[in-house]
Amino acid sequence: NAGVTQTPKFQVLKTGQSMTLQCAQDMNHEYMSWYRQDPGMGLRLIHYSVGAGITDQGEVPNGYNVSRSTTEDFPLRLLSAAPSQTSVYFCASSYSEGANVLTFGAGSRLTVL
Amino acid sequence: KQEVTQIPAALSVPEGENLVLNCSFTDSAIYNLQWFRQDPGKGLTSLLLIQSSQREQTSGRLNASLDKSSGRSTLYIAASQPGDSATYLCAVISNTGKLIFGQGTTLQVKP
Repeated sequence: NAGVTQTPKFQVLKTGQSMTLQCAQDMNHEYMSWYRQDPGMGLRLIHYSVGAGITDQGEVPNGYNVSRSTTEDFPLRLLSAAPSQTSVYFCASSYSEGANVLTFGAGSRLTVL
Repeated sequence: KQEVTQIPAALSVPEGENLVLNCSFTDSAIYNLQWFRQDPGKGLTSLLLIQSSQREQTSGRLNASLDKSSGRSTLYIAASQPGDSATYLCAVISNTGKLIFGQGTTLQVKP
């Protein structure tokens, strides 16, 4: 089925470890984004991309890196995990920035010990 | 800075009741507004998108309205069902393309 696929669904890390959350979409969407969802904080934008080769920072970018080498993929890298990065991460995409309905992935639950 | 508020944080109603969920935003310069549904442990599903030039959108039992001048949107759910139980989030998209979410209203519809 067409949509946004996130892997892994669950991950436990130790402080200081690095990892990559994968996001892939097969809808030929130009716009892709990463959010984190925390209790009482809602969803906050981490990074986003308006097309291959273009990325920009959102509201809470510190501690995360992204790249967009293809239209389909938008991985989120945690360089040195911290307990404050324990959260549920969502990837979302749309045809273009702003104007269209966002399609969300199922989420990746990350725990940093 | 745009802030989006949803009140109440939680709502419990008996099955069959009509209900209204509220969303308010501080900056009226928005591009559009979207309502999402989130089931426990799941991602978000888009319900309705209202462009800034529109006043409302309807999908089945759902009707969303937008009043930019007062910074408000409402999601009306008619004849609620237990399957409507979920968290409902609104999000505004600014003219710069940034999506700002409210914290959501958790709805429980009791049989």
